Amino acid sequence: DTGVSQDPRHKITKRGQNVTFRCDPISEHNRLYWYRQTLGQGPEFLTYFQNEAQLEKSRLLSDRFSAERPKGSFSTLEIQRTEQGDSAMYLCASSSSAGGNEQFFGPGTRLTVL
Amino acid sequence: GENVEQHPSTLSVQEGDSAVIKCTYSDSASNYFPWYKQELGKRPQLIIDIRSNVGEKKDQRIAVTLNKTAKHFSLHITETQPEDSAVYFCAASYFGNEKLTFGTGTRLTIIP
Repeated sequence: DTGVSQDPRHKITKRGQNVTFRCDPISEHNRLYWYRQTLGQGPEFLTYFQNEAQLEKSRLLSDRFSAERPKGSFSTLEIQRTEQGDSAMYLCASSSSAGGNEQFFGPGTRLTVL
Repeated sequence: GENVEQHPSTLSVQEGDSAVIKCTYSDSASNYFPWYKQELGKRPQLIIDIRSNVGEKKDQRIAVTLNKTAKHFSLHITETQPEDSAVYFCAASYFGNEKLTFGTGTRLTIIP
């Protein structure tokens, strides 16, 4: 499968714990995005990278959230001290700056905070 | 920032009929408008997109129209089939600010 992949697909954690998600983009894509989707809503932008540089962060991304893309390939999204309100689907997407802005999504990581 | 509104929130059509979903956007700088289809428990899939230098784009049974003056764009699905049942999201962005701002989605149900 050469599409965007995410790991894990599901994560259940207790409030206050830290969690980390991974995204592997389509190999030739230099842009990588994180979105959050809650039930019945469209995806909301969190942050995006071009190569290894984090170019924009949403105000939704509190200081408990951090994202990295150390070598311009895969990315990680960490949430510290999780809260019940963090429960959502975390979607990763990738695109190529050479190919317009067509963003292709991964299957998502569903986070449940108990 | 950009705000995208989408209507209707739910839509039921008889199989074989057409379905139309409409979106409006607020930022006149937006120039890229994709549509995504999301089936239950699945990832959003890009089904068609349009850039502001064209007014209409068609791909088999799916078409998108864009009215830049009015700042609205629409998805048209003709000859609907049961497999078209899903949630559809519109989105907007502009070059230089590639984040997508999504609408709230339309749940389309095709009645056999």
